[in-house]
Amino acid sequence: EIVLTQSPGTLSLSPGERATLSCRASQSISSRYLAWYQQKPGQAPRVLIYGASSRATGIPDRFSGSGSGTDFTLTISRLEPEDFAVYYCQQYGVSRGTFGGGTKVEIK
Amino acid sequence: QVQLVQSGAEVKKPGSSVKVSCKVSGGTFSDLFFSWVRQAPGQGLEWMGGIIPILGTANYPQRSQGRVTITADESTATVYMEVSSLRFEDTAVYYCAVAPDYWGQGTLVTVSS
Repeated sequence: EIVLTQSPGTLSLSPGERATLSCRASQSISSRYLAWYQQKPGQAPRVLIYGASSRATGIPDRFSGSGSGTDFTLTISRLEPEDFAVYYCQQYGVSRGTFGGGTKVEIK
Repeated sequence: QVQLVQSGAEVKKPGSSVKVSCKVSGGTFSDLFFSWVRQAPGQGLEWMGGIIPILGTANYPQRSQGRVTITADESTATVYMEVSSLRFEDTAVYYCAVAPDYWGQGTLVTVSS
């Protein structure tokens, strides 16, 4: 089974700063089926990025995804107050759905 | 637009079983891949397994095998997940989802003596 490892576990930043979140797979995966989610307390996850780099409907362009093979990155160019949350990567598709352990982006 | 509506909260005793349902509307039920995801209090997301109704056979990660059973009823467009031999650590919110876009509202399952 493929393992997704997210780093760092916690990112302490100020509004306006840039956030760079990493998701590393234990073996090469198709970028077509790599998603990033944002989750806030008491809410279901919300998809930000699918296919490694495509923004989901309604997602601001300060969110961007990149990567291929085993290394994927979510970048938030300038943090807004509503962006402080937990972020997960997921390998999805037929017969799979592994999540990374999550990165908490907190206010410094 | 796929909508997923899950059954209500459950309180169960250790050793018992729980079956959570996910009623689906919109989309083509039979060939979508439905996943079940759980989140224990303060913890991350864990994929429990999934099913494509038209194929009938579910896929599970190693950790879920043996205690988790995922089924689908095409006549009612409903997906089910049953967890048996419940333990305290199975207390969690359980979500059904069609990744990455569509998620149910979540079902809280509490295991308590």
